[in-house]
Amino acid sequence: QVQLVESGGGLVKPGGSVRLSCAASGFLFSDYYMNWFRQAPGKGLEWLSMITDNGRSVNYADSVKGRFTISRDNAMNFLYLQMNSLTVDDTAVYFCARGEYSIAVWGQGTLVTVSS
Amino acid sequence: IQMTQSPSSMSASVGDRVTITCRASQDISDWLAWYQQKPGKAPNLLIYSASSLQRGVPSRFSGSGSGTDFTLTISSLQAEDSATYYCQQTRNFPRTFGQGTKVEVK
Repeated sequence: QVQLVESGGGLVKPGGSVRLSCAASGFLFSDYYMNWFRQAPGKGLEWLSMITDNGRSVNYADSVKGRFTISRDNAMNFLYLQMNSLTVDDTAVYFCARGEYSIAVWGQGTLVTVSS
Repeated sequence: IQMTQSPSSMSASVGDRVTITCRASQDISDWLAWYQQKPGKAPNLLIYSASSLQRGVPSRFSGSGSGTDFTLTISSLQAEDSATYYCQQTRNFPRTFGQGTKVEVK
């Protein structure tokens, strides 16, 4: 079945870095645009970034532009989010998701906690 | 594009008709999706293109609107509809969400 599984979350210090991974299965990964979203504790949903199916074009939210980098490996069916210069405001559950417009397929999320 | 939902929260009884509104700060045509999210879970797509029902979603959910004003309607509220509902515009980058509407079933 169609599945997205995030990994790489955990506790990181302010100013630190972490790379999230999203393993895709059950569909032809290279055919789809992919996204990262996040949700801070008790807060709403925030779109972070999108990458095209071939990886040639990306978009970012202003809140992460210049700090986060989205990438993909279509041969291995993985989506990544490199997160640098983290602050406490980046503490959230991070979701990978499939789609160019509305999002019908989501991962279960991985928690990133930024704290000293 | 700023998305504004109302109300922020509400309480209704089983069988009630529930309406949630979402207003965009500029014309987004029908580039709007609605999601349901339950605690600890990923969002679930209910409606896309403002009024198209996602496959597998119960028919008591419906969406309407175009331009700047949109509505999500639950025609007969069920206990399992207790959740937070979000609208999202997919017209432009950055994709933006409303702040959410928490629906409690009495």
